[in-house]
Amino acid sequence: AQTVTQSQPEMSVQEAETVTLSCTYDTSESDYYLFWYKQPPSRQMILVIRQEAYKQQNATENRFSVNFQKAAKSFSLKISDSQLGDAAMYFCSRADSGNTPLVFGKGTRLSVIA
Amino acid sequence: GAVVSQHPSWVICKSGTSVKIECRSLDFQATTMFWYRQFPKQSLMLMATSNEGSKATYEQGVEKDKFLINHASLTLSTLTVTSAHPEDSSFYICSARTGGGSSYEQYFGPGTRLTVT
Repeated sequence: AQTVTQSQPEMSVQEAETVTLSCTYDTSESDYYLFWYKQPPSRQMILVIRQEAYKQQNATENRFSVNFQKAAKSFSLKISDSQLGDAAMYFCSRADSGNTPLVFGKGTRLSVIA
Repeated sequence: GAVVSQHPSWVICKSGTSVKIECRSLDFQATTMFWYRQFPKQSLMLMATSNEGSKATYEQGVEKDKFLINHASLTLSTLTVTSAHPEDSSFYICSARTGGGSSYEQYFGPGTRLTVT
């Protein structure tokens, strides 16, 4: 099965510090997209950042950036200047070419310590 | 833009009854909609993929006769849990994807909490 693996069930970070969430994936496709979603206590899934596999440049969105290593099939999320509102479950996911659904990792619960 | 709504947000039903959950794309046409189930502290588990005007494709292990999915229009998909039992209690999330362009992004609804008593 083509999977997405998040090896850190829980992480914590001090407010204003930086934290990196890990994600690896498995796919035989050459064209695919990678996403990080945030799920706060409200349980609404919120897109944090996306990365097209054909792009070598790492995506950034304000305080959020990724380290995309295609050969290693690694897609980590770095959160800089962590804020209390960043506390949530974070899911790494992948969508292959075509109309295939997102495949999700098991998630990482991030706590932010004031 | 790209807003997906779900109704109801929370429903309680008695064992043996059926309940319908609606998923609507409010400002775009969704050629494909997905239904996920999420147990507490777990990830999203894909139940089925539905394309407008055609039968849904169910994931292995999901009972198609129990979880009826209808995608009758480009803005509406429904999930009906038939003869619900307490083990069907869960959080159900729909998502939608537009058909055009190269985006594989899915837009998620806020979810529906189902409690079967």
